[in-house]
Amino acid sequence: AQSVTQLDSQVPVFEEAPVELRCNYSSSVSVYLFWYVQYPNQGLQLLLKYLSGSTLVKGINGFEAEFNKSQTSFHLRKPSVHISDTAEYFCAVTRGSQGNLIFGKGTKLSVKP
Amino acid sequence: GAGVSQSPSNKVTEKGKDVELRCDPISGHTALYWYRQSLGQGLEFLIYFQGNSAPDKSGLPSDRFSAERTGGSVSTLTIQRTQQEDSAVYLCASSWTSGSDTQYFGPGTRLTVL
Repeated sequence: AQSVTQLDSQVPVFEEAPVELRCNYSSSVSVYLFWYVQYPNQGLQLLLKYLSGSTLVKGINGFEAEFNKSQTSFHLRKPSVHISDTAEYFCAVTRGSQGNLIFGKGTKLSVKP
Repeated sequence: GAGVSQSPSNKVTEKGKDVELRCDPISGHTALYWYRQSLGQGLEFLIYFQGNSAPDKSGLPSDRFSAERTGGSVSTLTIQRTQQEDSAVYLCASSWTSGSDTQYFGPGTRLTVL
């Protein structure tokens, strides 16, 4: 069975500071990895995904994530955050033959001025 | 183009009543998913439709939950004899196919069971 662990439930950070949101997964088979963002009172939106190839994946809004197979991690990073990045971020995994996403519990990023 | 739409956006019902939640996927998407988002459980998978194949119902929490997808497009999630623990936001998503394809989520239906 697969599972996803997001190590931090809340991350407060000041505007223009760098941020890293941590995600670890467990799976005995190859997986696809995703980060979704949920802005206040809005639906889920894809930030980026890793399918294969380069382990550094770039997404929207200046976010990037690095797939590390040996550490089974897929941490999300942004070098300089804005107030508008305040949202909840979800890491998710799915197998190639499987349809549904398995989500972590989410990390609430709060960017303060 | 139009995204995934869901109706109603909010639903308040009394314990024991049946409810129906509707999802209109993006046109042409063959895969459709239902998830539930609640404070205690986070985002949980409920059921998955892929084309004309039998749905994957492995995430349905009880036999009070059922879903159908008519004509490979619109889907309805039905909850019978609602309980207070069914209160949550029910999210629908669709994708071109399954697996690695991006899932596009609707705005959700907030269900409150009194």
